[in-house]
Amino acid sequence: GNSVTQMEGPVTLSEEAFLTINCTYTATGYPSLFWYVQYPGEGLQLLLKATKADDKGSNKGFEATYRKETTSFHLEKGSVQVSDSAVYFCALWGVTGGGNKLTFGTGTQLKVEL
Amino acid sequence: EPEVTQTPSHQVTQMGQEVILRCVPISNHLYFYWYRQILGQKVEFLVSFYNNEISEKSEIFDDQFSVERPDGSNFTLKIRSTKLEDSAMYFCASRGGTGGYGYTFGSGTRLTVV
Repeated sequence: GNSVTQMEGPVTLSEEAFLTINCTYTATGYPSLFWYVQYPGEGLQLLLKATKADDKGSNKGFEATYRKETTSFHLEKGSVQVSDSAVYFCALWGVTGGGNKLTFGTGTQLKVEL
Repeated sequence: EPEVTQTPSHQVTQMGQEVILRCVPISNHLYFYWYRQILGQKVEFLVSFYNNEISEKSEIFDDQFSVERPDGSNFTLKIRSTKLEDSAMYFCASRGGTGGYGYTFGSGTRLTVV
């Protein structure tokens, strides 16, 4: 079946540091890939998405590129802010074998300090 | 922006008791979901609901669980006899169209079974 593996957290960075959160996946066919963010006390919000190989999703300074050859969708941001502190979830939607649902990773907590 | 509303935000219940988690999906959405996240673990799919019936359910969704859309606006998850291991954050989501995009998640209900 489908699965998503994320790097474990928490990740602690200083403001303006470069962020990478690794995500790799296992899926049949050609899944769509997503990053969701959960701010404290809030629900899961879609951060960005990519629906086919080599697509780059971007939003709020975050980027992730769908790499089929490495089955990866790593999240990056050039300069993080304290307000980016949250839990980040990588997820996939499978066209085949995944059914009518999202498959999530375990989430990576990001803490950004001044 | 339309929201998915979940109530209560936190519920404490005694083992063996029945609990009902409530959700109000976005009004013109057609697909409804429950996911859960045990502390520190993955967000896991429980069940999807479409056209007034369950369209898919996971292994977790056993006979102790049921879902209902009683009045065209609410979407409920009932756990008939709670166990300690049911303690988790439960997320409701709704989706309007096809594909993995267009999911809107609620802010979750934290269920604590004591």
